[in-house]
Amino acid sequence: KNEVEQSPQNLTAQEGEFITINCSYSVGISALHWLQQHPGGGIVSLFMLSSGKKKHGRLIATINIQEKHSSLHITASHPRDSAVYICAVRKNTGTASKLTFGTGTRLQVTL
Amino acid sequence: EPEVTQTPSHQVTQMGQEVILRCVPISNHLYFYWYRQILGQKVEFLVSFYNNEISEKSEIFDDQFSVERPDGSNFTLKIRSTKLEDSAMYFCASSVLSTTGAHTFGSGTRLTVV
Repeated sequence: KNEVEQSPQNLTAQEGEFITINCSYSVGISALHWLQQHPGGGIVSLFMLSSGKKKHGRLIATINIQEKHSSLHITASHPRDSAVYICAVRKNTGTASKLTFGTGTRLQVTL
Repeated sequence: EPEVTQTPSHQVTQMGQEVILRCVPISNHLYFYWYRQILGQKVEFLVSFYNNEISEKSEIFDDQFSVERPDGSNFTLKIRSTKLEDSAMYFCASSVLSTTGAHTFGSGTRLTVV
């Protein structure tokens, strides 16, 4: 079983829709990351969370440590938001700070 | 904004050949990582590197893989004898601190083994 699970796997939305992507994890973590991967393959860090909520432009990320769950919201979605969104965690065991990744959510926003 | 630079962006190699993937991390970062992503699959950890030595490696990182920081700026991943299943996107990343895992990723090298 994956330590980091995302849902949905695929998501199609119309421009302007409010989008939610969910991430659940089964291990203790020191931080959770939301990443964006564009079709060319490059990965961009969107948020790093250890508690509460963060907002950047139209993107909002929340985390509930007790429930081991995080959500990424996109308000007023736009075709340029089309990408794969990946949840990754930094486990709080061990000394290294590697990330453990979810399988990603592929988002397609249409006009 | 500082970037992690990876070269080449795409490499095609014959099975059994050695390849070296290169990365220039951000200059004040202390931790360096290699990850790979096989087409259609999730990103997987290969190895982390700190203070000129490997700090952790995954079971994927077997004897055919090695990492090096030869000159204080470049960080390389060598695959000694490539197999078809090594075909993947390889990402380099670096970070300042270890506690939160905040990474800056390079744009990746797509390795195709034929």
